[in-house]
Amino acid sequence: QSALTQPPSVSGSPGQSVTISCTGTGSDIGTYDRVSWYQQSPGTAPKLIISEVYNRPSGVPDRFSGSKSGSTASLTISGLQAEDEADYYCCSYTTSTTWVFGGGTKVTVL
Amino acid sequence: QVQLVESGGGVVQPGGSLRLSCAASGFKFKNYGIHWVRQAPGKGLEWVAAVTHDAKNQYYAGFEKGRFTISKDNSRNMVFLQMNALTIGDTATYYCAKWTWDAMDVWGRGTTVTVSS
Repeated sequence: QSALTQPPSVSGSPGQSVTISCTGTGSDIGTYDRVSWYQQSPGTAPKLIISEVYNRPSGVPDRFSGSKSGSTASLTISGLQAEDEADYYCCSYTTSTTWVFGGGTKVTVL
Repeated sequence: QVQLVESGGGVVQPGGSLRLSCAASGFKFKNYGIHWVRQAPGKGLEWVAAVTHDAKNQYYAGFEKGRFTISKDNSRNMVFLQMNALTIGDTATYYCAKWTWDAMDVWGRGTTVTVSS
C-alpha cells in the first residue's frame, strides 16, 4: 500500500487560510469516509484533529476543518495562528484492512 | 485520564528481537483496539499493526513480512508488539494509539528502537 500523497510544505501569514491536500486511490480515500488528520509538533506525539473526514474531537479549534472529494481529502486551517506551525498527516483506512498515512506536510506560519 | 505508555525500546543488533509494551489506563480497555505506528528519525508516520478490542483479529502493514506480532491482554490492560529479525530499517520511535472507529484518538509518547551493529 503506497503512502497517501501530501505536499511537503505549505505556508501562510497569521490570519490567512491554508489547505493541505491528501490524495489517495480507489482503494482507500476513494472508497471510505475514514480519513483522519493528525498534528505533530517537534518532539511530541501526534494529536488527532479530524476524524471521519470532517469530525473535530472535543477541544480542537473550529478553525480546523476537513473535507473530501473523490480520492482526495483536504484539511483547511482558517485564521492561521503561530501555534498551528507543525507537521500534519492524513491517514485512511484501506480495502486491504490496513491503514495508510500521507508523507506529511510542514505548515509554516510566516 | 486516558493514557498510553510505551516501553521496551532500546538498542539491538541487526537480526535481534525486541518486545514493545503499551500500558493503558483511564478507559475501558477491553472495548477498544490498539494500533502501533512508527516514525523513523526525521521521517513521517508509518502504520505498523493493529489488534481488535477482543484480541481476536490482528492486522499488519505487510512490510514486516511476518516478523512482527501484535497481541492484547485485556486482563492486564496491555498490548505488545513482538519484533523479530530486526533490520536497520526498523529504527524508529514506536507509538501505540487507541483505536476509535477508524481514527487514533489517544497516543502514547513513544519508545525508541535503534537497530545498529
